[in-house]
Amino acid sequence: DGGITQSPKYLFRKEGQNVTLSCEQNLNHDAMYWYRQDPGQGLRLIYYSQIVNDFQKGDIAEGYSVSREKKESFPLTVTSAQKNPTAFYLCASSSGSRVSTEAFFGQGTRLTVV
Amino acid sequence: GQQVMQIPQYQHVQEGEDFTTYCNSSTTLSNIQWYKQRPGGHPVFLIQLVKSGEVKKQKRLTFQFGEAKKNSSLHITATQTTDVGTYFCAGSLVAAAGNKLTFGGGTRVLVKP
Repeated sequence: DGGITQSPKYLFRKEGQNVTLSCEQNLNHDAMYWYRQDPGQGLRLIYYSQIVNDFQKGDIAEGYSVSREKKESFPLTVTSAQKNPTAFYLCASSSGSRVSTEAFFGQGTRLTVV
Repeated sequence: GQQVMQIPQYQHVQEGEDFTTYCNSSTTLSNIQWYKQRPGGHPVFLIQLVKSGEVKKQKRLTFQFGEAKKNSSLHITATQTTDVGTYFCAGSLVAAAGNKLTFGGGTRVLVKP
């Protein structure tokens, strides 16, 4: 069953702790993305990757880090430097590199920092 | 940096009526995509427009890409309760660093039965 999987669905962390959100896809997509969504707001791009071992900062990369060691995986670490980490995090993938194609989204991870 | 803006932010529609949501980019786009997010869900792809002036239809939904490839619109006719959700446009800009997909703020649609 192909798709993009994010885990966990809900995550609670104490302030000052780093936390890593998982994103795995078995669609053989080259491009992967991380977005942040705050209540009632749009999607803001954190990081994106067009190919393994390469990634680019999005519009709100400060306080976040990523890695792309495997084509299928694009984990996002929310560090203690992120001032307001509580949000809904969405991972997406698409097949295109130079040509944009449909993005498939995971179910999202709701992170709450207390 | 690239910005994509959508208006209106909220759209209250009587069931059966038509409405339009608009998307504007600060830069010329390679293509534009539209997504729908149901309450509590994740965005789901609706359509992609690539050519200048392109118009595509999906049943009651009509999508248009502007001549300058900097704006787009989504028009829904005869709104139904199943149309409830947030509609996002996403602009794609191919650059040296790769394909960056930037989303607008979305239009939240509420349907009054």
